[in-house]
Amino acid sequence: QKEVEQDPGPLSVPEGAIVSLNCTYSNSAFQYFMWYRQYSRKGPELLMYTYSSGNKEDGRFTAQVDKSSKYISLFIRDSQPSDSATYLCAILNRYSSASKIIFGSGTRLSIRP
Amino acid sequence: DAGVIQSPRHEVTEMGQEVTLRCKPISGHDYLFWYRQTMMRGLELLIYFNNNVPIDDSGMPEDRFSAKMPNASFSTLKIQPSEPRDSAVYFCASSLAFDRDGNQPQHFGDGTRLSIL
Repeated sequence: QKEVEQDPGPLSVPEGAIVSLNCTYSNSAFQYFMWYRQYSRKGPELLMYTYSSGNKEDGRFTAQVDKSSKYISLFIRDSQPSDSATYLCAILNRYSSASKIIFGSGTRLSIRP
Repeated sequence: DAGVIQSPRHEVTEMGQEVTLRCKPISGHDYLFWYRQTMMRGLELLIYFNNNVPIDDSGMPEDRFSAKMPNASFSTLKIQPSEPRDSAVYFCASSLAFDRDGNQPQHFGDGTRLSIL
């Protein structure tokens, strides 16, 4: 079983829709939960991170962590064509594997104008 | 403010040749990471350095792969001899030490797209 599972998509939604991206993880010791966005032919860039259960909001983006279910989500409100990219969830267990981030396989998202 | 700089952006070479990928991290960052990204396996950590010292190279696939960091502003990833299955996008990333939340945001370069024929 992979440590982090992510549906690769592709996911295509109309502009203005709410997007939900999800990952599950297997190790309850994971502490830090991140979302990276990767545009075509570019490196991943950190979008959001959190280290606790609950929601964290940043503009149109909300990251949600449910440690009891080992489930993380990223919601995008009022989606724009510029949000079209691959979104990777990423997890860090600082104390057992300091600095070793484990990435999901990424979900390709396309926002139709 | 310059980000992580990788060179070359593209490399096409024949099987058996030596390939050297280069990375200049963000100035002041203590950590440097090398990743490989493929459709099949996603983004995999190969090796990372802290203060120029290799800390974890467990992701390096074979002895054909080697990485060095001779100083704080430069690192290389070398493949010798190269094989077609090494074809992938190779990313370098750098970061500061852990922030006050205990996280360690990594900043990625734009990658080197490597094709081994």
